[in-house]
Amino acid sequence: DSGVTQTPKHLITATGQRVTLRCSPRSGDLSVYWYQQSLDQGLQFLIQYYNGEERAKGNILERFSAQQFPDLHSELNLSSLELGDSALYFCASSVGGTGNTEAFFGQGTRLTVV
Amino acid sequence: AQSVSQHNHHVILSEAASLELGCNYSYGGTVNLFWYVQYPGQHLQLLLKYFSGDPLVKGIKGFEAEFIKSKFSFNLRKPSVQWSDTAEYFCAVNSLGSGNTGKLIFGQGTTLQVKP
Repeated sequence: DSGVTQTPKHLITATGQRVTLRCSPRSGDLSVYWYQQSLDQGLQFLIQYYNGEERAKGNILERFSAQQFPDLHSELNLSSLELGDSALYFCASSVGGTGNTEAFFGQGTRLTVV
Repeated sequence: AQSVSQHNHHVILSEAASLELGCNYSYGGTVNLFWYVQYPGQHLQLLLKYFSGDPLVKGIKGFEAEFIKSKFSFNLRKPSVQWSDTAEYFCAVNSLGSGNTGKLIFGQGTTLQVKP
C-alpha cells in the first residue's frame, strides 16, 4: 500500500458525460500528480499541483481540469468524454514539488467510456 | 522534446536467468532517473532512483541500475530473476532544467515474463 488513495477504482460511463476522479495523497505530501496510462500513449503526465497551486502542466486536454483542495486532496474532472479517453488514470504524490523527490502512486482509476 | 526510450517491449526469461532492460533518454541537462515496477493489478512501485553520486544504484529486490551519462542511459539489471519478478517495468526521467518540477517522463514500459 503506497498510502495514496484513489476513488473510484472502476468507472464506466457514456460518451459525452462528465466524471470526477478523486485522489488523497500520502500524509504529509504536498504535491499531487495525475497521469494517464493508455495502450497507445503509454504513461503520460497530465498535471501537477503543489500545496494547492498548479505547478506543471503536461498534455492535458482542455476538456480535462484538476484542482487541489486545502486538505490537499485532488480531483481530476473529465468532461465531454470520448471513447479515446478510456484509460487508467493514476494519481501520485510526493513531499516536495521539485525533481529531487520520490513520487508514490495510487492504484489508479480505470475509466471505460462506452 | 524530452523522451525516454525502452528498447525491449516484451522480454521472456527463465528463472535464474540474468536480466538487463535498456533505457535511454533524450534530455541533455541534469536529470533524476527512476525505475518503477507494476505487478499485475497493482500500483507503480519505485524500484530504485538516481539523483547524484555513485552511478551504480542498488534498489529493492536485488535490482540495480547504472547511470552512464555519456550514453544517456540508465539500464536496469538483476543477476538472477525469479517468477515473482513477472511485471511491467518503467523507466522514468525528471529533468532539473527550468521549471524544476516533479513531473516524470516515462518510457513505454517493458513487460517481463519469467517462466518457472
